[in-house]
Amino acid sequence: DAGVTQSPTHLIKTRGQQVTLRCSPKSGHDTVSWYQQALGQGPQFIFQYYEEEERQRGNFPDRFSGHQFPNYSSELNVNALLLGDSALYLCASSSLSSGRISETQYFGPGTRLLVL
Amino acid sequence: ELKVEQNPLFLSMQEGKNYTIYCNYSTTSDRLYWYRQDPGKSLESLFVLLSNGAVKQEGRLMASLDTKARLSTLHITAAVHDLSATYFCAAVDSNYQLIWGAGTKLIIKP
Repeated sequence: DAGVTQSPTHLIKTRGQQVTLRCSPKSGHDTVSWYQQALGQGPQFIFQYYEEEERQRGNFPDRFSGHQFPNYSSELNVNALLLGDSALYLCASSSLSSGRISETQYFGPGTRLLVL
Repeated sequence: ELKVEQNPLFLSMQEGKNYTIYCNYSTTSDRLYWYRQDPGKSLESLFVLLSNGAVKQEGRLMASLDTKARLSTLHITAAVHDLSATYFCAAVDSNYQLIWGAGTKLIIKP
């Protein structure tokens, strides 16, 4: 049973560029959440996708956008990168059946983004 | 707005000692999670606590939840070096979003 996978593992970009991060949820899960974790801090919720739609969004600008595909995988896009976007980006999967999130979100290994 | 506070933020202790990490949250939450994170790694789920008085134990770690006090604790018994990591608690808000504490960096010295 494959867990949550993310790609790439590491990425270096320069200011102003755009980046796309990818996530495949755990088998049987239909909901993907994205988090940003700056060094030495707790994760910050970016948004959550279910049924190919953004269900919830945290306090992040429109430069952060996403997509969910019919196979439940997801992409996180960040435009016009800033130095402050450097962080570990974590994807978490869960099940939203019956309208309630499953007991636990399972996290992928993360993508470490460095913006120069 | 739900806020989650952990303390201490940093803890250095000797092997064999006991200690407790505290997690306070500001408003009613449906459930409380504890996660572990090793340096440069992702988050590993430890416990999910669903109701008042819930207690869960795994090895040397025990988590409890007091919903009336809005407090969860993670107790470490007879610490060993392998438990060195950063521990996060997270509560679920009314939109089912996880709201995270800042984390407790635990260093256990031989």
